Amino acid sequence: SQQGEEDPQALSIQEGENATMNCSYKTSINNLQWYRQNSGRGLVHLILIRSNEREKHSGRLRVTLDTSKKSSSLLITASRAADTASYFCATVVYTGANSKLTFGKGITLSVRP
Amino acid sequence: NAGVMQNPRHLVRRRGQEARLRCSPMKGHSHVYWYRQLPEEGLKFMVYLQKENIIDESGMPKERFSAEFPKEGPSILRIQQVVRGDSAAYFCASHGGPGWDQPQHFGDGTRLSIL
Repeated sequence: SQQGEEDPQALSIQEGENATMNCSYKTSINNLQWYRQNSGRGLVHLILIRSNEREKHSGRLRVTLDTSKKSSSLLITASRAADTASYFCATVVYTGANSKLTFGKGITLSVRP
Repeated sequence: NAGVMQNPRHLVRRRGQEARLRCSPMKGHSHVYWYRQLPEEGLKFMVYLQKENIIDESGMPKERFSAEFPKEGPSILRIQQVVRGDSAAYFCASHGGPGWDQPQHFGDGTRLSIL
């Protein structure tokens, strides 16, 4: 299975602190994506990083990818209460028509005001 | 709102009834995916459709579940003779395709409860 596994399962931090979430996967991938899900809502795409990329930034988000270790990390800097949500990594392996996103179980992030 | 629209948001059915979940993809998107999410779990892929075609249904249970994406109208996920284990949140996503280096855009899901 290509399922990503996030670590930790739950994270609680104070507003203003940085949050680091990790994702590991089992076999080679073509890209890895991070999504956020607020309670009762659908997933929102955050960042996509391709297998030939090592780091990407988007606002307060920074994603790294280490293909040798088969792992990725999502860093949220200067966290806000509004960042409270579940975060999922998802991997893609190109297999033609059967390519698909495979999600991990997610990380629950709580940011205390 | 040009996002992915799912309805109903909540659906309650009794065991043995049929559930029909609808999804209208983002404007211009012809690729639709259905996922199922159980509490405290990630999303599990069910089926991938393009207009009038099922591309990959490897995640769909072999019985009782079917999906379509007709030339006109929304994509439909249909569950016949529902059982308690079908209770879950069902999400639809779309992207413009082709290519897997594009993000998927998700609807807010249909929460199905089986009495």
